[in-house]
Amino acid sequence: AQTVTQSQPEMSVQEAETVTLSCTYDTSESDYYLFWYKQPPSRQMILVIRQEAYKQQNATENRFSVNFQKAAKSFSLKISDSQLGDAAMYFCAYGNMLTFGGGTRLMVKP
Amino acid sequence: DTAVSQTPKYLVTQMGNDKSIKCEQNLGHDTMYWYKQDSKKFLKIMFSYNNKELIINETVPNRFSPKSPDKAHLNLHINSLELGDSAVYFCASSQDLGAHPHSGNTIYFGEGSWLTVV
Repeated sequence: AQTVTQSQPEMSVQEAETVTLSCTYDTSESDYYLFWYKQPPSRQMILVIRQEAYKQQNATENRFSVNFQKAAKSFSLKISDSQLGDAAMYFCAYGNMLTFGGGTRLMVKP
Repeated sequence: DTAVSQTPKYLVTQMGNDKSIKCEQNLGHDTMYWYKQDSKKFLKIMFSYNNKELIINETVPNRFSPKSPDKAHLNLHINSLELGDSAVYFCASSQDLGAHPHSGNTIYFGEGSWLTVV
């Protein structure tokens, strides 16, 4: 069974700075998908970014980018120029049915 | 208009009661899901329906019974509620089964229904 691990329960970042959230996963598959979802206090799950394992190029979406290391089974999320509105729980997820990690709470300091 | 809507958003009920959470999506999607987020924020899939047919049942107790009257609705019925059922339940939908970035198939979530069993 696939597992997803987020080793940082909480992270904090100064507004306008950059922060990286870690995610590792375990799988025997060679082709798969990975996702980062954001859950603000409103609880709505919002897709931030997604990556296809067969693509070498790291996905980017505006201020959000990933560092996908397939051999290491690592999929970290980098948030640049952090904004107050980025404060939320962030969940890493594996596979098309979304196996989620335990989440990282990101706090943004003004 | 909300794409995936759930009612009620908040529900407090006593142990042993039976309750339902309704979900509707207006995206024209063929697949709907229920996910459960427990008190530690751990989020896990419960069920998946594709065109009203059950596709995935992730070893959820029989007290939980999803019902899909049509492909735009997937309601969750819970019988004999227990304290451990307290959680946030998320409904979601996608055009096809599962999230497939290469085809653009994305799972969209509702805002969640917060169930508290006392």
